Amino acid sequence: DGGITQSPKYLFRKEGQNVTLSCEQNLNHDAMYWYRQDPGQGLRLIYYSQIVNDFQKGDIAEGYSVSREKKESFPLTVTSAQKNPTAFYLCASSITETQYFGPGTRLLVL
Amino acid sequence: GENVEQHPSTLSVQEGDSAVIKCTYSDSASNYFPWYKQELGKGPQLIIDIRSNVGEKKDQRIAVTLNKTAKHFSLHITETQPEDSAVYFCAPRMGNYGQNFVFGPGTRLSVLP
Repeated sequence: DGGITQSPKYLFRKEGQNVTLSCEQNLNHDAMYWYRQDPGQGLRLIYYSQIVNDFQKGDIAEGYSVSREKKESFPLTVTSAQKNPTAFYLCASSITETQYFGPGTRLLVL
Repeated sequence: GENVEQHPSTLSVQEGDSAVIKCTYSDSASNYFPWYKQELGKGPQLIIDIRSNVGEKKDQRIAVTLNKTAKHFSLHITETQPEDSAVYFCAPRMGNYGQNFVFGPGTRLSVLP
């Protein structure tokens, strides 16, 4: 059953804490992306990676970090430097122009 | 940065009626124009796309039209059904290659039974 998975579905962050969101795909796609979605708004690009061991900042990369050590995995860390992390985080992958999205992780701040 | 707008921001139609959502963009080099549907609590899903060498594309009840001169493209849904209720995003590619897509702010479509 091919697809893109994200975990956890809900994540709670305490003040000053780093948290990591998981994104895995078994579609054999080269490119992967992280987007942030705030209520009632569109998607904004945080980071993207076109190949293993390479990634580029998107429009809102400050306060976030990523790694791409394996083709199928692209974890996103929300650091303590991100002062307003509450949002819905979406991971996507693509092999052509079409992006395939995961189910999302909702991050809440305690 | 690149500017992408959608109109209207919300749209309510009666079941069976048609719905049209318009997306305007600023990059004249754009050559790929997709529409995504997002249901509540889920990730977006591609429903139709069009490239700049084509003016219209249709897939059953869904169609997309492109006016590259005026820099806008539109999503048309005919014979709307309650399951069409969702948020729709356009995401034109900025430039004519690569993976730099800019999502519009979204249009919330409600189909009333």
